[in-house]
Amino acid sequence: GNSVTQMEGPVTLSEEAFLTINCTYTATGYPSLFWYVQYPGEGLQLLLKATKADDKGSNKGFEATYRKETTSFHLEKGSVQVSDSAVYFCALSNYGQNFVFGPGTRLSVLP
Amino acid sequence: EAGVAQSPRYKIIEKRQSVAFWCNPISGHATLYWYQQILGQGPKLLIQFQNNGVVDDSQLPKDRFSAERLKGVDSTLKIQPAKLEDSAVYLCASSANSGTPGHYGYTFGSGTRLTVV
Repeated sequence: GNSVTQMEGPVTLSEEAFLTINCTYTATGYPSLFWYVQYPGEGLQLLLKATKADDKGSNKGFEATYRKETTSFHLEKGSVQVSDSAVYFCALSNYGQNFVFGPGTRLSVLP
Repeated sequence: EAGVAQSPRYKIIEKRQSVAFWCNPISGHATLYWYQQILGQGPKLLIQFQNNGVVDDSQLPKDRFSAERLKGVDSTLKIQPAKLEDSAVYLCASSANSGTPGHYGYTFGSGTRLTVV
């Protein structure tokens, strides 16, 4: 079946540090891949997505590249801010099927 | 555009009691989803509606959970009787159709945090 694995958190960084959150997946076919972010007390918000191999999704300084050869979709940001503190979820969806989410990675950015 | 509305935001009940959650999706969204998010885990789909019909309820514990969307708009999720392990955030989401979710404005509500004591 489909599954998503993320690096365990929490991840604690200083402001302006480089961020990488690893995500790998197992799926049949050619799924779409997503990163969602959940700020404290809020619902999930779509951060970025990629629908085919080698696509790069980007938003708010975050980016992730769909790597089919390594079945990965790692999230990166060059310089994090305190306001980026949140829980980040990697997810996949095969066409016509619902999301499969990873367990989430909590990021804390210190000033 | 108004988002997905959920209520209540928080609920604390004793085990074996019943509880109900309400969701109002984005106007015009035909598809509505209920997810359970246990602390430290990703959301897990409980049930999916297309208009007022159930598309997928394979992961809904039907002995205690029920959901309805009678008029194809808002929806109610009920737990009766509640168990300690039902403590979680219950998220509602909606989308314009049931194709690949990320392509069709799939939007989550803020959720209801349930604590069963």
